[in-house]
Amino acid sequence: GAVVSQHPSWVICKSGTSVKIECRSLDFQATTMFWYRQFPKQSLMLMATSNEGSKATYEQGVEKDKFLINHASLTLSTLTVTSAHPEDSSFYICSARDPAGGGGNEQFFGPGTRLTVL
Amino acid sequence: GNSVTQMEGPVTLSEEAFLTINCTYTATGYPSLFWYVQYPGEGLQLLLKATKADDKGSNKGFEATYRKETTSFHLEKGSVQVSDSAVYFCAWGDTGRRALTFGSGTRLQVQP
Repeated sequence: GAVVSQHPSWVICKSGTSVKIECRSLDFQATTMFWYRQFPKQSLMLMATSNEGSKATYEQGVEKDKFLINHASLTLSTLTVTSAHPEDSSFYICSARDPAGGGGNEQFFGPGTRLTVL
Repeated sequence: GNSVTQMEGPVTLSEEAFLTINCTYTATGYPSLFWYVQYPGEGLQLLLKATKADDKGSNKGFEATYRKETTSFHLEKGSVQVSDSAVYFCAWGDTGRRALTFGSGTRLQVQP
């Protein structure tokens, strides 16, 4: 199946700094990618939809100025957590749909990035 | 609104026991239904899916049938193994919205 990678897999940063997380579709082009956040022992919550060549669509309650999303190409979306604080510590997961992969709206998920803000 | 409801965990079973994890959904139209599995320290992996009513998805001994009349997609396995210990997420998606809506996840612990 289609492969989605994320980098880094984990990151520790100081409070007030910014962290960039990359999400890549390795063997297909994704016009749309999704960013989710997962708290410990909880489900995935959709943060935003990343659209190639246009602005991201954020879910209600997600601060777009804090979580900057850029989808510069058909294989890369980035999530930048600006001025990170300890409450931003979480597991961030991206996914993409392969439009050429047939029906069913299957999402392919990256392995996730664990962010710890000290 | 649209949602997915899963049975709460953790579910603790002995090896070779029968597994059922209930999942029901609320959605308009005809969504596709999925089960994803998350092993410790890893990302989500698609376990199985069904795209229309009465479809049965199956993989690695797991099965789930898309029941439109009961809006359910229960996950079953006849004989679980220790290696099946993970968190299982039920999800639905429609072509319009394209993002997935996840259930809360059910942690399965299989003891030898």
